Parts: sequence; C-alpha cells; structure tokens
Amino acid sequence: AQTVTQSQPEMSVQEAETVTLSCTYDTSENNYYLFWYKQPPSRQMILVIRQEAYKQQNATENRFSVNFQKAAKSFSLKISDSQLGDTAMYFCAFMKLGNTPLVFGKGTRLSVIA
Amino acid sequence: NAGVMQNPRHLVRRRGQEARLRCSPMKGHSHVYWYRQLPEEGLKFMVYLQKENIIDESGMPKERFSAEFPKEGPSILRIQQVVRGDSAAYFCASSPLGGRPDYGYTFGSGTRLTVV
Repeated sequence: AQTVTQSQPEMSVQEAETVTLSCTYDTSENNYYLFWYKQPPSRQMILVIRQEAYKQQNATENRFSVNFQKAAKSFSLKISDSQLGDTAMYFCAFMKLGNTPLVFGKGTRLSVIA
Repeated sequence: NAGVMQNPRHLVRRRGQEARLRCSPMKGHSHVYWYRQLPEEGLKFMVYLQKENIIDESGMPKERFSAEFPKEGPSILRIQQVVRGDSAAYFCASSPLGGRPDYGYTFGSGTRLTVV
C-alpha cells in the first residue's frame, strides 16, 4: 500500500519570503501522479500543483513549484513571494494510474505572517 | 457552472441517529468519490461510485456506512446509528466519465458531522 508522509506539522513564513514544504512517499509503482492541495479555513480543497512521475521536469504554477526526486521518493513544494492568502493546510497526495483513490499525507499547517 | 455541491454544510446528530450526506457532482461528471477527514488528519478514501454502481468501497467501514449514486439525483453517504467517532468532515469529489482524475478531482466544500 502507498503511504505519504509530511514531516512538518506546522510552518510559518514572513510575507514575501520563500518556504518549502516537505513530502515523502512510499510506493512500488513506477508510474503515478503526485499532487499538492491547499485547504484554507473555508475547508475547500484546492488543487495547487500536480506532477506526473514519468516527467523529469519539475512542475511550476506561478509562485508554486515542486522539487520532484523520484529516486528519493520526495516531492517538496516551494512557495515563492508568500502572501497572506497562502495561509492554509497543505496536503501532499499520491495517486496510481487509472481511476484510483488519492492517498493523502497528514498535512502541514502554513501560516504567513505580515 | 456550479462546482461539486455538498449539503448540509454542518450536521449535528445525537448518538444512535442516522446521518445522510448529499453530494451533487459537477455537471457532466459521473464519477463520485467520498473521503473522510478526522481532526488534524488528511483525507482518507472511503468509496468510489459511478452512476448506479459501487466501484471501490475498500475504505468504507464494514458496518453502519453505505453509499449510493442513483441514476437520478445526488450521491448519498449514509451513516446509521452514529457514534462520537463518526464526527469528522466528509468530502465528496467528482470527475467526468472518461476524464483524467490524474488532473485532480474537483472537491466539494465538505459536510462537517458532529455527533453529540
């Protein structure tokens, strides 16, 4: 079974600074997908960024980028120029190919401080 | 185009009562997934349904929990004889037939169930 581990329960960052959230996972699959979701206090789950394991190039979405290290099974999220609206829980998630369920980590609570 | 709609947003039940949680997928979506989020935890998969079919219920507790997605109407997650341990946020997500769930499901805002 796949597992996802987020080792940082809480983090904080100053506004406009850069922060990196860690995620490691365990799987025997060779092809799969990885995601970062944001959950603000509204509770809505918002997809931030996704990565296909067969692509070596790291995904980027505006201020959000990932460092995907397939051999190390590591998938960290970097947030540049942090904004107050980035304050939220961030969940790393894994998915095998096909219509399979997402497997989530326990999350990292990020606070952006003015 | 409305997103995934879940209702109610908050639900309070006394121990032993039944809880019914509703999920209307996005228009054109025919795959529905239910997840449960315990306090300070990530979401855990419960069940995956298509119209009139349960595809994967490997995450559902064996007793008291059931789910359906009828031909017409929303998907329903039903919890009978609720206990305090059922208190959690329940999320629904949907994806289109033949779609690419690897692009990330569309989630609803969840139903927070409180058992008193």
